[in-house]
Amino acid sequence: QKEVEQNSGPLSVPEGAIASLNCTYSDRGSQSFFWYRQYSGKSPELIMSIYSNGDQEDGRFTAQLNKASQYVSLLIRDSQPSDSATYLCAVNLGGKLIFGQGTELSVKP
Amino acid sequence: GAVVSQHPSWVICKSGTSVKIECRSLDFQATTMFWYRQFPKQSLMLMATSNEGSKATYEQGVEKDKFLINHASLTLSTLTVTSAHPEDSSFYICSAAHPQDEKLFFGSGTQLSVL
Repeated sequence: QKEVEQNSGPLSVPEGAIASLNCTYSDRGSQSFFWYRQYSGKSPELIMSIYSNGDQEDGRFTAQLNKASQYVSLLIRDSQPSDSATYLCAVNLGGKLIFGQGTELSVKP
Repeated sequence: GAVVSQHPSWVICKSGTSVKIECRSLDFQATTMFWYRQFPKQSLMLMATSNEGSKATYEQGVEKDKFLINHASLTLSTLTVTSAHPEDSSFYICSAAHPQDEKLFFGSGTQLSVL
């Protein structure tokens, strides 16, 4: 089992819809979780971090964490074409940030 | 967010030559920096953890004699790809951990092409 798993997609949603991105992790001891956005040919950009169970909102983005289920998700409301990118889930494992394979999101106008 | 500078942005070199990539934290001191490699359509793979003033810790399968890491100051880490071969062609990305929290900030990446 991979340490951090994501559905690679591609995930396609119409403009204005909610995009839902999911991630599971293997280490129950993990305490820190992050979502990064990566445009093609560019380095990752931090979008959200979450450390405790529940929801955390920042503008159009909501991160959700369920430690019991070892599951973290990212919701993007009112999706825009500019949100089209690969979204990487990352988990802090023993002081190292381990990434999932990323989910490619395409927002169609 | 914090700024991490990485250069060069891209480099083309001949097989057998060495390439040095620099990573600098511009507005904070980073005790720990990380080096990742990313092949097309794949995720970031951690290569090594670089700690200021000590030897780097390499991930399993990463050759320490081929990928030399130096972290001589709290704001600078370098990765040297020695005797590069075409299979080393990849996107190399550095990151630095901000001292106030665990958040990792990334450099802009270096696209290495070995001919």
